[in-house]
Amino acid sequence: EPEVTQTPSHQVTQMGQEVILRCVPISNHLYFYWYRQILGQKVEFLVSFYNNEISEKSEIFDDQFSVERPDGSNFTLKIRSTKLEDSAMYFCASSGTGGADTGELFFGEGSRLTVL
Amino acid sequence: RKEVEQDPGPFNVPEGATVAFNCTYSNSASQSFFWYRQDCRKEPKLLMSVYSSGNEDGRFTAQLNRASQYISLLIRDSKLSDSATYLCVVSSNTGKLIFGQGTTLQVKP
Repeated sequence: EPEVTQTPSHQVTQMGQEVILRCVPISNHLYFYWYRQILGQKVEFLVSFYNNEISEKSEIFDDQFSVERPDGSNFTLKIRSTKLEDSAMYFCASSGTGGADTGELFFGEGSRLTVL
Repeated sequence: RKEVEQDPGPFNVPEGATVAFNCTYSNSASQSFFWYRQDCRKEPKLLMSVYSSGNEDGRFTAQLNRASQYISLLIRDSKLSDSATYLCVVSSNTGKLIFGQGTTLQVKP
């Protein structure tokens, strides 16, 4: 069964460092997402990406965050200068449909980011 | 008002029990509705979509009341393996999915 894969599974970093989280979405999917979940809290939308550009981003997704699809398979989330409050599980997701017809999102297993 | 609101629980029920979860949402323009399941420290996985006419998948029944902006999930004959957090998920009018806080279910032998 096709799946979304994410690396690393866990990253520990110092405050102020740059972090790149990587995702390989399901190959025939066109819509890509990053969500995050702070421990004990709800899953929060960060950004959606379609046709090589950001479709929508949340208030959380400020100038410190960026996304890229550099080579047609990987989908990356970069945090330029990490803060303590960036510590969370980051989930990548992909979907075959989007917009008003958004269907099932397939999530990766997540990348746990710990900022010290 | 929260965009998607759920009772966090926990709901502690014996095996074989029937349990119901409720959810309310604030955006009347929402188009799609889902229940996802999340096991501890794992990714969310789709349990079922929710349709206006109501739908059933084995022991699980989901219902949607658009007028009241209310979604429900009923689990019959609970199994130990049903223990998880159940996430009510609603699409925005732009298509992004908005998650509720989740309702935790613990099924005990």
